[in-house]
Amino acid sequence: QQQVKQSPQSLIVQKGGISIINCAYENTAFDYFPWYQQFPGKGPALLIAIRPDVSEKKEGRFTISFNKSAKQFSLHIMDSQPGDSATYFCAAGGQNFVFGPGTRLSVLP
Amino acid sequence: GAVVSQHPSRVICKSGTSVKIECRSLDFQATTMFWYRQFPKQSLMLMATSNEGSKATYEQGVEKDKFLINHASLTLSTLTVTSAHPEDSSFYICSASILARFRETQYFGPGTRLLVL
Repeated sequence: QQQVKQSPQSLIVQKGGISIINCAYENTAFDYFPWYQQFPGKGPALLIAIRPDVSEKKEGRFTISFNKSAKQFSLHIMDSQPGDSATYFCAAGGQNFVFGPGTRLSVLP
Repeated sequence: GAVVSQHPSRVICKSGTSVKIECRSLDFQATTMFWYRQFPKQSLMLMATSNEGSKATYEQGVEKDKFLINHASLTLSTLTVTSAHPEDSSFYICSASILARFRETQYFGPGTRLLVL
């Protein structure tokens, strides 16, 4: 119930390509879905977040798509750059906060 | 965005000693702070939630007598790892939130790497 599933575990994308990371949750009480970006040896940084009352949110090259009925949400990184290479965590919040296991993204130059 | 600092950034200690890690919100008052633990190449594991002026709420499986949390003010929370052992070696990260529930205002510190010899 409290678990957040995330896929793929790792992702390799060419520069300029689209990176897509998917997450799924079970608990319908979750009402806040952020994505975090973490570089090695650093703390996670909030990237973008969405609430279940909207289906999509875009900030620059980053877009969250949210499917409430399927209990799924995804992060799309357009025009992926080598500097985007990092680990990305989705999360779900409500009464408590649960992180997905993470996706290691490598963008090749 | 808001800034959260942690000190020290890394610490090496001998087995059996205690280590204190500080988490500060530099430009905002955080009603709630969170402590996470992260093993290499793994996700963040929430250890406890700390509210200013009250006892921390620990997640299942986290020993509250081993991981002492004090939230003395709206800008400072401390995590003390008591009688540290090699298995406590990990990356400890705090985060701070302005509101009582999780919102866009949860900001993470840079983390503290603890190595217990």
